[in-house]
Amino acid sequence: GAGVSQSPRYKVAKRGQDVALRCDPISGHVSLFWYQQALGQGPEFLTYFQNEAQLDKSGLPSDRFFAERPEGSVSTLKIQRTQQEDSAVYLCASSPRPREYDEQYFGPGTRLTVT
Amino acid sequence: GENVEQHPSTLSVQEGDSAVIKCTYSDSASNYFPWYKQELGKGPQLIIDIRSNVGEKKDQRIAVTLNKTAKHFSLHITETQPEDSAVYFCAAVGEFTGGGNKLTFGTGTQLKVEL
Repeated sequence: GAGVSQSPRYKVAKRGQDVALRCDPISGHVSLFWYQQALGQGPEFLTYFQNEAQLDKSGLPSDRFFAERPEGSVSTLKIQRTQQEDSAVYLCASSPRPREYDEQYFGPGTRLTVT
Repeated sequence: GENVEQHPSTLSVQEGDSAVIKCTYSDSASNYFPWYKQELGKGPQLIIDIRSNVGEKKDQRIAVTLNKTAKHFSLHITETQPEDSAVYFCAAVGEFTGGGNKLTFGTGTQLKVEL
């Protein structure tokens, strides 16, 4: 079946521009996560949604980062006034239920380069 | 919060040899430990996981061991093949609060299997 998809796959932004990254989770998955992966590092948690509710945004690095999932399916991560340190791969993952041991299925990521 | 350390950062083995990757974690409340394989340009993919009430789990050529007392866990790959070449990440899920089973990742191990 279809997995998690993300778009665009690559995004180049000039410093100061706003960007929007889209995640289409696996249909019916309740939980949705965003992670940030810097070059040569492991993914780091940004935020978590259970259906449309954003239950944890403790990993968002600044108030320039904003995420939403208005209808409990597609999610968008928005970064305002991009900075060079925002350059990274942004990964989305979904999980069937908000259970401790449920596998998280990752999308291919969006590589953001801020110039 | 949880902190996961992973060693080695790079590992080169001959085809057919075994590979071992080790991780330690800091939060004694953590009780779920998945391992992910990430190939170039792709998102992480779960290859095996272990829960805290189990000391060892095996799936064909892959095995994971967990020592809760010492707070470390390891991935073992036997009879390595060229297609095993990838970056491997360990991860831990801390105390599950209902806010989502967010993952804390290690820094990754680049495994290269040479012919």
